[in-house]
Amino acid sequence: DSGVTQTPKHLITATGQRVTLRCSPRSGDLSVYWYQQSLDQGLQFLIQYYNGEERAKGNILERFSAQQFPDLHSELNLSSLELGDSALYFCASSVGAKGYNEQFFGPGTRLTVL
Amino acid sequence: GENVEQHPSTLSVQEGDSAVIKCTYSDSASNYFPWYKQELGKGPQLIIDIRSNVGEKKDQRIAVTLNKTAKHFSLHITETQPEDSAVYFCAAYTGTASKLTFGTGTRLQVTL
Repeated sequence: DSGVTQTPKHLITATGQRVTLRCSPRSGDLSVYWYQQSLDQGLQFLIQYYNGEERAKGNILERFSAQQFPDLHSELNLSSLELGDSALYFCASSVGAKGYNEQFFGPGTRLTVL
Repeated sequence: GENVEQHPSTLSVQEGDSAVIKCTYSDSASNYFPWYKQELGKGPQLIIDIRSNVGEKKDQRIAVTLNKTAKHFSLHITETQPEDSAVYFCAAYTGTASKLTFGTGTRLQVTL
């Protein structure tokens, strides 16, 4: 158990809908990272927050947004969902702001868009 | 941006044999190279990492080597066991982009 929690475990929704994925980092970690894992794209970095502020941005679509709250939990919002958004979404956390600190991954949320 | 290539995509070895997975990266500014193991239904877990100022690092049956000149790094697992069966990902961290770029993964199967 990495200490990172993600909810829900599974999410099934329809095209055009909006969903919110939630992540709680390990106790003491200030950074939260979001990744998308699909069969054809592998693990893709989406975005990082450090202590409430956006720190780094990867291949995140404009339809996606994220935020980190004062209690350090984070939410990833996916809107206008398309079939191609079906994937595993992982949250990871680390102590520091730099990505070369060990990142601890949560168990993931499996999103299915029908 | 950074591009990480990983080979092979699948690897089958007999229990007790060694396994080697290789990765190459494109950005010479990358300075941190972690390896993750992902078991079925779980998130990736860091198993070993190496920084650019080190050529080799070992942790029990696992070792990683880095060749900065050639821009490649490798994971070596000795005396493989069935519980080593998983998908392994290499990654490279580039400070300028502040992100980890992952390889496409290697599915390792250790057979009895």
